[in-house]
Amino acid sequence: SQQGEEDPQALSIQEGENATMNCSYKTSINNLQWYRQNSGRGLVHLILIRSNEREKHSGRLRVTLDTSKKSSSLLITASRAADTASYFCATGPIGAGGTSYGKLTFGQGTILTVHP
Amino acid sequence: NAGVTQTPKFQVLKTGQSMTLQCAQDMNHNSMYWYRQDPGMGLRLIYYSASEGTTDKGEVPNGYNVSRLNKREFSLRLESAAPSQTSVYFCASRGTGRGETQYFGPGTRLLVL
Repeated sequence: SQQGEEDPQALSIQEGENATMNCSYKTSINNLQWYRQNSGRGLVHLILIRSNEREKHSGRLRVTLDTSKKSSSLLITASRAADTASYFCATGPIGAGGTSYGKLTFGQGTILTVHP
Repeated sequence: NAGVTQTPKFQVLKTGQSMTLQCAQDMNHNSMYWYRQDPGMGLRLIYYSASEGTTDKGEVPNGYNVSRLNKREFSLRLESAAPSQTSVYFCASRGTGRGETQYFGPGTRLLVL
């Protein structure tokens, strides 16, 4: 079963606007990651936030994590047409003795369309 | 470095046929993974290999087998393909340490008629 649920399922904005995507999950996690998938391509890692972190930045990306609400958000500022893609959150579980082997559980994704 | 490579890129099978999807990584990663992605869905883990010589089931292993041939290669086999296995298959690898990111191949599109 899917761990993460993403909201919205689809988002359409104009170039220059900010895009916010949300992810909720069900079980305790070690980390939460965001990936991007361009149409017909493999996934590309964007950013990782650990369970003891609340906010992280990378270029135009800002990720927040609220473990009490089991939710995360990804903000893309000043969106560009090239940001058009599907965005997935993925959670890394807490394994017994740390042996989760890096297994990730993916959400269903948000399809972002940025119009020029 | 090529990263993670997958072959073939596209395959059409008839129900009952078998095939092997190949995956190789040149990043000296210990862990490797096979996922499937169905339309409008996220990725679901089929099998993974935490290190050379070990494999374990993921969320949706039924109908699949895997082989970790060596540290570089991790193959996925469909013994008797079914239409429900029509999907896009992604291989990924991960380096050592906890919480590190996964690197994905370009995917194999499989159509089972």
